[in-house]
Amino acid sequence: NAGVTQTPKFQVLKTGQSMTLQCAQDMNHEYMSWYRQDPGMGLRLIHYSVGAGITDQGEVPNGYNVSRSTTEDFPLRLLSAAPSQTSVYFCASSYDTLGVGYTFGSGTRLTVV
Amino acid sequence: QQQVKQSPQSLIVQKGGIPIINCAYENTAFDYFPWYQQFPGKGPALLIAIRPDVSEKKEGRFTISFNKSAKQFSLHIMDSQPGDSATYFCAARGGAQKLVFGQGTRLTINP
Repeated sequence: NAGVTQTPKFQVLKTGQSMTLQCAQDMNHEYMSWYRQDPGMGLRLIHYSVGAGITDQGEVPNGYNVSRSTTEDFPLRLLSAAPSQTSVYFCASSYDTLGVGYTFGSGTRLTVV
Repeated sequence: QQQVKQSPQSLIVQKGGIPIINCAYENTAFDYFPWYQQFPGKGPALLIAIRPDVSEKKEGRFTISFNKSAKQFSLHIMDSQPGDSATYFCAARGGAQKLVFGQGTRLTINP
C-alpha cells in the first residue's frame, strides 16, 4: 500500500493562477479531508468527504473547490490563488466511522507570490 | 475562534523527563479526542486517542489524562527520548467526523 499520496510536493504560483492539488489513497477509505497547516494555527479543515459523490465544507473553504468522483481520489482546486493561501496542505483519509484514525499524506508546500 | 486551545507552544525537556502538553475545549458536543505526532517534512500521525467517558489511557510511554468537568485533556510522555522530539497536536471530533485541531506544541528532548 502506498497510503495517501499527494502531488506535487512543492509548488510556486503567481497571484491569480489556478491549480489542482492531487490526493490519492489506495486503502479503500471512505472518509477523506483536506487541511492547511499554518504556523501557530494548527491544522484547519478546508473540505471533507464521507464517500464518493459527497463533499462538504470545513472551517476555511473559501477559495477552494473539491470533488470526489471515485473513492480513491480527492483533488483540491485553488480557483484564483492569493498570497493568503501560502501554506502547507495535507490530505488525509480514514478507515473508521469515528473518523479519528486519519492517515495523512506527506503534504504539499504551496507558495503564492 | 480556536475551538481547541493547546499549550505550551514550545517545550524543552531533558531526556528522561516527563513533558506535559495541555488542551482545553468549549464545545461539549466533541466526543473523541486524539493526539497526533508530526515530524519535520511529514504528515501528522495518530499517536493515541481517548473517549470522554474515560479519565486516563496509556499506550506505551504515552498517557492521556481527561477531565470532562473541566473540559481539559493532556498528554504525558514518560521517560522521554530525543526521538520524541516532534510537534504534537491535540484534536477533538465534532459532527460529521470532522476533527478540530489545537495550535500544536513543538517538543524538544535534549540528550
